[in-house]
Amino acid sequence: DAEITQSPRHKITETGRQVTLACHQTWNHNNMFWYRQDLGHGLRLIHYSYGVQDTNKGEVSDGYSVSRSNTEDLPLTLESAASSQTSVYFCASSEQGLAATGELFFGEGSRLTVL
Amino acid sequence: GENVEQHPSTLSVQEGDSAVIKCTYSDSASNYFPWYKQELGKRPQLIIDIRSNVGEKKDQRIAVTLNKTAKHFSLHITETQPEDSAVYFCAAKGGTYKYIFGTGTRLKVLA
Repeated sequence: DAEITQSPRHKITETGRQVTLACHQTWNHNNMFWYRQDLGHGLRLIHYSYGVQDTNKGEVSDGYSVSRSNTEDLPLTLESAASSQTSVYFCASSEQGLAATGELFFGEGSRLTVL
Repeated sequence: GENVEQHPSTLSVQEGDSAVIKCTYSDSASNYFPWYKQELGKRPQLIIDIRSNVGEKKDQRIAVTLNKTAKHFSLHITETQPEDSAVYFCAAKGGTYKYIFGTGTRLKVLA
């Protein structure tokens, strides 16, 4: 069965360190997204990609970067982790095209704690 | 910018009663409105959606209504059960594939 997986599921790091969260999907979806979830803020869009070599900033992109070298993967990098980036991160993917259902498929989430 | 407001932030109902969650969107180009349910510690999952050319959609105990003129859409859950307890998110998608989410409603169904 097709799936979207994130790793690591839990990570604790220190302020200033570089962190990369991996996202891998086997749906063959062109659209991929990274959201962060914080109490009172819901799901906020960090970065998104509509295909290989395409990346776009979302509403809370400062301090984060992504790269899209193939269809399956969209890693999220925190260049210098800050305590404000402690959060649960969700990767998601969706189809493109007229026949697309519009459904967004989420990974299981990655809980990041920055000390 | 694009924005989706969701109310209430918390909602408690007695088992068997109905629950209504309301959302308002700002982007008039929005054409797809999904609702996601997220159980504690789990990923959000789609429970129902509606497109801009439809005013109402129903699936068993859940229904969604859309008022394009007022830019409002609502989730209705009838005959609530304890397993309906979760956080519910509305979202709006415009002409691009970008989804903007509301801030979520924590629904508690009291037995």
